[in-house]
Amino acid sequence: SQQGEEDPQALSIQEGENATMNCSYKTSINNLQWYRQNSGRGLVHLILIRSNEREKHSGRLRVTLDTSKKSSSLLITASRAADTASYFCALGGATNKLIFGTGTLLAVQP
Amino acid sequence: GAVVSQHPSWVICKSGTSVKIECRSLDFQATTMFWYRQFPKQSLMLMATSNEGSKATYEQGVEKDKFLINHASLTLSTLTVTSAHPEDSSFYICSASQGQDYGYTFGSGTRLTVV
Repeated sequence: SQQGEEDPQALSIQEGENATMNCSYKTSINNLQWYRQNSGRGLVHLILIRSNEREKHSGRLRVTLDTSKKSSSLLITASRAADTASYFCALGGATNKLIFGTGTLLAVQP
Repeated sequence: GAVVSQHPSWVICKSGTSVKIECRSLDFQATTMFWYRQFPKQSLMLMATSNEGSKATYEQGVEKDKFLINHASLTLSTLTVTSAHPEDSSFYICSASQGQDYGYTFGSGTRLTVV
């Protein structure tokens, strides 16, 4: 499958803790993107990291990319209850298509 | 920022009828839009790539005669689910991009229930 595999499938943490989710893939990519989806809603783009980049930050988000291991991680620091959502990695290739990973369901307990 | 408007947000239809879902890019032109399908608690599966002025490109296993895509202008793509059946009930989401270095902007999705 060309789909990205995310782990864990589900993660439950307390407010203030950090949340880390991982994405592994098998194909070659131009970029890797992370999205957030609240239940039953559309997706919100969080961050894009290009294949020649290793790390990127945006506010409380930190994304790493290791193309040799074909893996990426998303770290959310100082989590809040409002961060509760599903998080998806998405693989951007040469064809302009975006292929989504399996997703991580994050629950942040207040 | 870029906005993609999707309509309707939810629809209930009877088996055998057709349903049209619209996806509009409000403040940018999108030569390419994408249609996804999402079952409960699952990831998004790409159905097809909608190309302005030409035929859509469908992913393997997606019936092009059942899921009709029209991209008549640079700001509008439509997905028509023809002769809908209960197994077509799902969450359908469209997206568009302003370019490869940008993230994709998604519509808010359409929840289709076929009864």
